[in-house]
Amino acid sequence: EAGVTQFPSHSVIEKGQTVTLRCDPISGHDNLYWYRRVMGKEIKFLLHFVKESKQDESGMPNNRFLAERTGGTYSTLKVQPAELEDSGVYFCASSLQVAGELFFGEGSRLTVL
Amino acid sequence: DAKTTQPPSMDCAEGRAANLPCNHSTISGNEYVYWYRQIHSQGPQYIIHGLKNNETNEMASLIITEDRKSSTLILPHATLRDTAVYYCIVRATHNAGNMLTFGGGTRLMVKP
Repeated sequence: EAGVTQFPSHSVIEKGQTVTLRCDPISGHDNLYWYRRVMGKEIKFLLHFVKESKQDESGMPNNRFLAERTGGTYSTLKVQPAELEDSGVYFCASSLQVAGELFFGEGSRLTVL
Repeated sequence: DAKTTQPPSMDCAEGRAANLPCNHSTISGNEYVYWYRQIHSQGPQYIIHGLKNNETNEMASLIITEDRKSSTLILPHATLRDTAVYYCIVRATHNAGNMLTFGGGTRLMVKP
């Protein structure tokens, strides 16, 4: 069974540009999460989808970040416009149940120059 | 969710047991103790979780004190591939947000 997959694995963009990260959860997992680790900091929660609905987006840093999960399958996280402090690794995770074990992807590394 | 305290780093000899401590003195009755690890450049990986009884799976054992204020993750025969950052997380599974709060973790270095 395929795990959580994320694309791209690494993206290098200039400040002010737009980047879209994609996450494909494990098939059948209604719960999808985004986390990120910016340089030197701890892994932080961004938001949680249940199917296509945003259950909790309390961790989203500002309105430059937009997450979507149309159809309740894969999710995208768009950063527009990107700033230097957005550099870091963005992790996606999914779980079968709300209270279940989270399965993480390998992460998408974002470098903003 | 309750806060956890872990030593920032530990060393362990290959083949020996690695015992990683975690303090969670403010844990409440409905909160579970979860352990995840992150091997360099990979995503976090679930290891084990428990409420109050000791738990064991193919990866590790989790020992929770009777007062639940602390726990120990045990890797019975550490290998070089177990070198990683280990995160102890306290989490109420009824939490609608279901977020995991990662702290600094313990960087375990398994040495030959």
